[in-house]
Amino acid sequence: DTAVSQTPKYLVTQMGNDKSIKCEQNLGHDTMYWYKQDSKKFLKIMFSYNNKELIINETVPNRFSPKSPDKAHLNLHINSLELGDSAVYFCASSQGGGVTGYTFGSGTRLTVV
Amino acid sequence: GENVGLHLPTLSVQEGDNSIINCAYSNSASDYFIWYKQESGKGPQFIIDIRSNMDKRQGQRVTVLLNKTVKHLSLQIAATQPGDSAVYFCADRSNDYKLSFGAGTTVTVRA
Repeated sequence: DTAVSQTPKYLVTQMGNDKSIKCEQNLGHDTMYWYKQDSKKFLKIMFSYNNKELIINETVPNRFSPKSPDKAHLNLHINSLELGDSAVYFCASSQGGGVTGYTFGSGTRLTVV
Repeated sequence: GENVGLHLPTLSVQEGDNSIINCAYSNSASDYFIWYKQESGKGPQFIIDIRSNMDKRQGQRVTVLLNKTVKHLSLQIAATQPGDSAVYFCADRSNDYKLSFGAGTTVTVRA
């Protein structure tokens, strides 16, 4: 059983396209996150959701729109993809504000050509 | 990183030796710290955590030390094994729902 699962694992698309990445967790956590990891391996938080409500939006361009249909799911939709969006996107979850740790998915490698 | 940073981007260690990975953080309000291990093609994997009211915590072959006076965090790995080769990140929780990561240290274990 995968605790935090993301699909797809790889995504190659052309500039200007719109794409979605899906995330699901079966840990019973109430908070979910999206992180972006760049080519230098730096991990930066993008969004956090608690009980389906947006808690943190780290000045991400509004081309990125997260959606949380329920506590176990957090999807990321990206409009008008740009070359600079190429990165690995990680979904994570935690219970509450994260005082007992965060669990990460295995990542989605997005390549924009 | 935003709140944390690592002193060295790479560390080469002989198999069987002990490894020490260092990290400095800047936010004195951070109350919780985590070390993660990331292997190629995988997501960050939890190694060990420590709260700000502690100085030291031990796990299996790993020890985390926290020095709040100088805002320094370290991860010690005993008897380093080839499977320990990975990128290691420290992260701090500066407020609810936000974990900030440092840039990572790539550990390579020499046989």
